[in-house]
Amino acid sequence: AQTVTQSQPEMSVQEAETVTLSCTYDTSENNYYLFWYKQPPSRQMILVIRQEAYKQQNATENRFSVNFQKAAKSFSLKISDSQLGDTAMYFCASKGYSGAGSYQLTFGKGTKLSVIP
Amino acid sequence: DAGVTQSPTHLIKTRGQQVTLRCSPISGHKSVSWYQQVLGQGPQFIFQYYEKEERGRGNFPDRFSARQFPNYSSELNVNALLLGDSALYLCASSSGLAGGPGETQYFGPGTRLLVL
Repeated sequence: AQTVTQSQPEMSVQEAETVTLSCTYDTSENNYYLFWYKQPPSRQMILVIRQEAYKQQNATENRFSVNFQKAAKSFSLKISDSQLGDTAMYFCASKGYSGAGSYQLTFGKGTKLSVIP
Repeated sequence: DAGVTQSPTHLIKTRGQQVTLRCSPISGHKSVSWYQQVLGQGPQFIFQYYEKEERGRGNFPDRFSARQFPNYSSELNVNALLLGDSALYLCASSSGLAGGPGETQYFGPGTRLLVL
């Protein structure tokens, strides 16, 4: 079984500043992936960034980057140059085996990020 | 290209009724997963289907069932609705074989179900 914990229910950041969202996870699997999803008020879940557990290099996607600490089972998301459109719920998720050759996402409870003008 | 589509967008039912939610995956995607997102929580895995077969099931009662059609669209059925079934139901599709660990799941906008 996998668990994902996001310890920050809400955060806020000034526009153009940098913010880091925390996530810890627990898994017994060797082959797994980690994801950050964004869910704006319109509620469509959008993939922000993903990390392959066997890769030591941290993933980056434009203004979004992760700090992946495998031994500590930590997977934080850094948003640089925050924009008003970054206001959303952010979910950390891990993907592990759920049987019959399939894999399921396990989500944390989310962090509500507000970008302040 | 169209993304994942779901219908209806909103639904109101009363306790004890039955409901059917529908999902059309991204063109070319063969795997569909269903998630339940209760207000204030992260999504919880319900089912995954690939090539019309159930490939994974989360910790949900037998009142929840699903199926996948030859065109890869999917339906989620919930019988004997309870107040606690009120939630946003999300459908996600992925392209690869049974959605491997590296396969990205793309989500639809969801169906908001309210049970009174």
